[in-house]
Amino acid sequence: DQQVKQNSPSLSVQEGRISILNCDYTNSMFDYFLWYKKYPAEGPTFLISISSIKDKNEDGRFTVFLNKSAKHLSLHIVPSQPGDSAVYFCAASAGNMLTFGGGTRLMVKP
Amino acid sequence: GAVVSQHPSRVICKSGTSVKIECRSLDFQATTMFWYRQFPKKSLMLMATSNEGSKATYEQGVEKDKFLINHASLTLSTLTVTSAHPEDSSFYICSARVTGGMFEKLFFGSGTQLSVL
Repeated sequence: DQQVKQNSPSLSVQEGRISILNCDYTNSMFDYFLWYKKYPAEGPTFLISISSIKDKNEDGRFTVFLNKSAKHLSLHIVPSQPGDSAVYFCAASAGNMLTFGGGTRLMVKP
Repeated sequence: GAVVSQHPSRVICKSGTSVKIECRSLDFQATTMFWYRQFPKKSLMLMATSNEGSKATYEQGVEKDKFLINHASLTLSTLTVTSAHPEDSSFYICSARVTGGMFEKLFFGSGTQLSVL
């Protein structure tokens, strides 16, 4: 049973618009959440994170929102750029364990 | 950022043969490396945690005799898929965490696509 789910395998957005990537989790022990970005033929790289004591963390064009009661987090990218086209993985940690979602492929069209 | 090199990027082998995948941290020392497996449209699933100088810790359901992990130095971990079968065909990816670092300091290799005929 997947503890971290990204229900949208792909998302297509126009350049300049907002991209919203969603992630749901089931394990209430998760206390730290991360987003990784993966380009083809490369490994995932860390993008942004949020602790369970916060509900929002912002870094430039990237903002992660956490709704603990709903066990849901989202990554907002605004404005979206063609270079943002990649696969985005949501991950959740409890102690030394890190659990990944299945990824969402974002395509930003010029 | 730190670099993790994984080799080979793609391998095709016959059923029954063994395949070795290398994972190297190029510019930092990693006492802990992680091996993941990803099936199409599925999550990255942690297979095992590789600890330098000691035995790897395998996740439930992962056969340690089939997936041999060696972490002989602070910069190299290897995963050997022994007696590979078609069901072992998958995408394998390693990661290394900077010693003492949080998961933000987790750096990934580019992965290995294994196809067993």
